[in-house]
Amino acid sequence: GAVVSQHPSRVICKSGTSVKIECRSLDFQATTMFWYRQFPKQSLMLMATSNEGSKATYEQGVEKDKFLINHASLTLSTLTVTSAHPEDSSFYICSARKTGQGTGELFFGEGSRLTVL
Amino acid sequence: QKEVEQDPGPLSVPEGAIVSLNCTYSNSAFQYFMWYRQYSRKGPELLMYTYSSGNKEDGRFTAQVDKSSKYISLFIRDSQPSDSATYLCAMSSGNTGKLIFGQGTTLQVKP
Repeated sequence: GAVVSQHPSRVICKSGTSVKIECRSLDFQATTMFWYRQFPKQSLMLMATSNEGSKATYEQGVEKDKFLINHASLTLSTLTVTSAHPEDSSFYICSARKTGQGTGELFFGEGSRLTVL
Repeated sequence: QKEVEQDPGPLSVPEGAIVSLNCTYSNSAFQYFMWYRQYSRKGPELLMYTYSSGNKEDGRFTAQVDKSSKYISLFIRDSQPSDSATYLCAMSSGNTGKLIFGQGTTLQVKP
């Protein structure tokens, strides 16, 4: 099956610093990737849709200046949490949709756990 | 009201039992229905994918969609301890990959 890799899987940072999380589709091209956030025992909340070569589309209530998304190639999207604070601590998960395919060809990464001290 | 409602459980069953997991939704535009399994601190894994109404079977898993009632189900037959995980329903109105998730139901299958 298709593989989506996230890095780092865990990161601890100090308040006020920025953290970058990478999402890579290892064996397929993904024009579109999605970024989710998941709190403990909660569902996945869609943060933004990342499109290769264009600006990301953010969901209502998500600060685009705080959560910077870049999708520079067909296999890589990055999420940068800027000036992180303890309330940003969460599990961030990306998914990638195979180029030209629909919802059934959507694959998730293993997630990145961010802890802000 | 949330777009997708799912009882978080936890649900505890003995090994071999039939498990029934359910979600209700309010958006009649949803056409694509998925069930994902998520182990602790891991990303979701797609189990079943259904377009529109009907049933779909894959091994021990059966997914049902009743659009008239806005209700979807996942049945697990002959449940195993390895099935212990959180099960998330997800839905989409378009074929874009943009999903709305339920809260997830935590399932524990006891040996």
